[in-house]
Amino acid sequence: GENVEQHPSTLSVQEGDSAVIKCTYSDSASNYFPWYKQELGKRPQLIIDIRSNVGEKKDQRIAVTLNKTAKHFSLHITETQPEDSAVYFCAASISYNNDMRFGAGTRLTVKP
Amino acid sequence: DTGVSQDPRHKITKRGQNVTFRCDPISEHNRLYWYRQTLGQGPEFLTYFQNEAQLEKSRLLSDRFSAERPKGSFSTLEIQRTEQGDSAMYLCASSLKLAGEDTQYFGPGTRLTVL
Repeated sequence: GENVEQHPSTLSVQEGDSAVIKCTYSDSASNYFPWYKQELGKRPQLIIDIRSNVGEKKDQRIAVTLNKTAKHFSLHITETQPEDSAVYFCAASISYNNDMRFGAGTRLTVKP
Repeated sequence: DTGVSQDPRHKITKRGQNVTFRCDPISEHNRLYWYRQTLGQGPEFLTYFQNEAQLEKSRLLSDRFSAERPKGSFSTLEIQRTEQGDSAMYLCASSLKLAGEDTQYFGPGTRLTVL
């Protein structure tokens, strides 16, 4: 089955700096890669996703890149703000098989 | 609130008791998923439904766990003879399965504590 690894487990940056979180997956058939943000005590919220037919997707300060050959994808947050502080999870699935596997999460802290 | 809702939000029970959780998906969504999340970990897939049909169950899912979605709308997750290791956040998510689109939206979760 699919196995998703996520790094780093914790990340601390200064406000205004960029943050990068990386994930690798094992099943080459996976073709859908969402990223979720989870604040303390709240539900995971989708922030961006990418499908295997594109290599990069951007939404304002957030971007995701996908390297299918290397089986890794990354989340990039630019101009970080304190409200970006949360746990971020990557996930991977084969769209016809919705056994979506999550990474263990990255706790991002943005220091003002 | 038109998002995914779950009830109860918190449940404390004694070991050996049965518990049942409910999930109400976004109304037009045909897929419903159950996950379990423990502290410091990502959500772990348990099972999912398309309409009323349960299409997949995780091999990690104990036979003490059962889920239903009788009318293709809300779903229930029952845990029988609870154990302390069942303590976790149980998350429900729903999606509208269309060609090339299957974004999952999560509910607030039910936090289970087994004493």
